[in-house]
Amino acid sequence: DIQMTQSPSSLSASVGDRVTITCQASQDISNYLNWYQQKPGKAPKLLIYDASNLETGVPSRFSGSGSGTDFTFTISSLQPEDIATYYCQQYDNLPIFTFGPGTKVDIK
Amino acid sequence: QVQLVESGGGVVQPGRSLRLSCAASGFTFSSYGMHWVRQAPGKGLEWVAVIWYDGSNKYYADSVKGRFTISRDNSKNTLYLQMNSLRAEDTAVYYCARDREGAILIWGQGTLVTVSS
Repeated sequence: DIQMTQSPSSLSASVGDRVTITCQASQDISNYLNWYQQKPGKAPKLLIYDASNLETGVPSRFSGSGSGTDFTFTISSLQPEDIATYYCQQYDNLPIFTFGPGTKVDIK
Repeated sequence: QVQLVESGGGVVQPGRSLRLSCAASGFTFSSYGMHWVRQAPGKGLEWVAVIWYDGSNKYYADSVKGRFTISRDNSKNTLYLQMNSLRAEDTAVYYCARDREGAILIWGQGTLVTVSS
């Protein structure tokens, strides 16, 4: 089974800061990696698909990169509405999905 | 608009059964694979099961294999999750979700299942 790890598990940053989250797969998953945002009490929202493609309607301050086993998710300028938990999700071994443990982002 | 609405959650005793439903609208339900994803209170997302668009294939997480059954009725635009032999660790919000080539773009609002005596 493919295992996903994320770091950090939580972070606090100021409005306008650049925020970076990493996701690591236990084996090569090519670019089969998505990123989601989940706000409290809400369903997750797809932000980035195939490691680096911005989903339609998602602000351009969100971006993703990486391939193989190491991936990065970046918020270029943190906004108050970005307070949420962010999850990576691999789909290399379809149809099984595996989510990372999540990274909680707060405002400092 | 595209919508998924779950129902059937509630409080159930350990060892008992529960069936969740997910009513789909605003899209051609029979054209899409569908998933169940759950989230225990204060915890992360856990993929539970997937069913092919025509119901021909089904896959499960190891944690529910043999106890949960995913099914669908395309004539009713409805997805189901039959949960048997429930355990305390099955307590979670259960989301139904529409597949999009390895990602999930459309999610329901979730239904809470609490397994407790």
